[in-house]
Amino acid sequence: AQSVAQPEDQVNVAEGNPLTVKCTYSVSGNPYLFWYVQYPNRGLQFLLKYITGDNLVKGSYGFEAEFNKSQTSFHLKKPSALVSDSALYFCAVRDPNSGYALNFGKGTSLLVTP
Amino acid sequence: NAGVTQTPKFQVLKTGQSMTLQCAQDMNHEYMSWYRQDPGMGLRLIHYSVGAGITDQGEVPNGYNVSRSTTEDFPLRLLSAAPSQTSVYFCASTPDVYTEAFFGQGTRLTVV
Repeated sequence: AQSVAQPEDQVNVAEGNPLTVKCTYSVSGNPYLFWYVQYPNRGLQFLLKYITGDNLVKGSYGFEAEFNKSQTSFHLKKPSALVSDSALYFCAVRDPNSGYALNFGKGTSLLVTP
Repeated sequence: NAGVTQTPKFQVLKTGQSMTLQCAQDMNHEYMSWYRQDPGMGLRLIHYSVGAGITDQGEVPNGYNVSRSTTEDFPLRLLSAAPSQTSVYFCASTPDVYTEAFFGQGTRLTVV
């Protein structure tokens, strides 16, 4: 089965510092990986995805993610955090056996302090 | 562009009542899915559909039914609501394996 794990429930970072939100995956076949963000009382917004190609993927709002096949990881990164980045972040993997639905990690709450 | 539309946004039900959560998309996507979000558990797949007339169960299907009579609509029915179904429900659609899923704004359901 396709699955992802987010080992950190919460990540705290000071504004202006780089941030990393971790995600590891377990798949059979090609991994199709996604990051979503959820602001309080809102829906899910797509940030970026890895389908194939370059291991460094650039997405919305200055976020990027590095796909590492040997470490089975897909960590989300941003060079300089903003207070407005504080939100809940989800890593997800596409499941071809469930109508291309997504299997989500449990989420990581990011808190950026001024 | 409407995208994926869910109604209602909020609902309070009494235990044992039934209701239908509506989901409609105007992007002609074949693949649609329903998730529930509970604190600390991420989003879990309830049911999914690969096209009109075709549905299947996900990870947590008990207590829920779905149908897909048209490409646009994918309603989720709660047969007899239970407090354990208190959750936030999201509907999503995607056209293919390579494209991200588009989510509705969610329905916050409370069962008392």
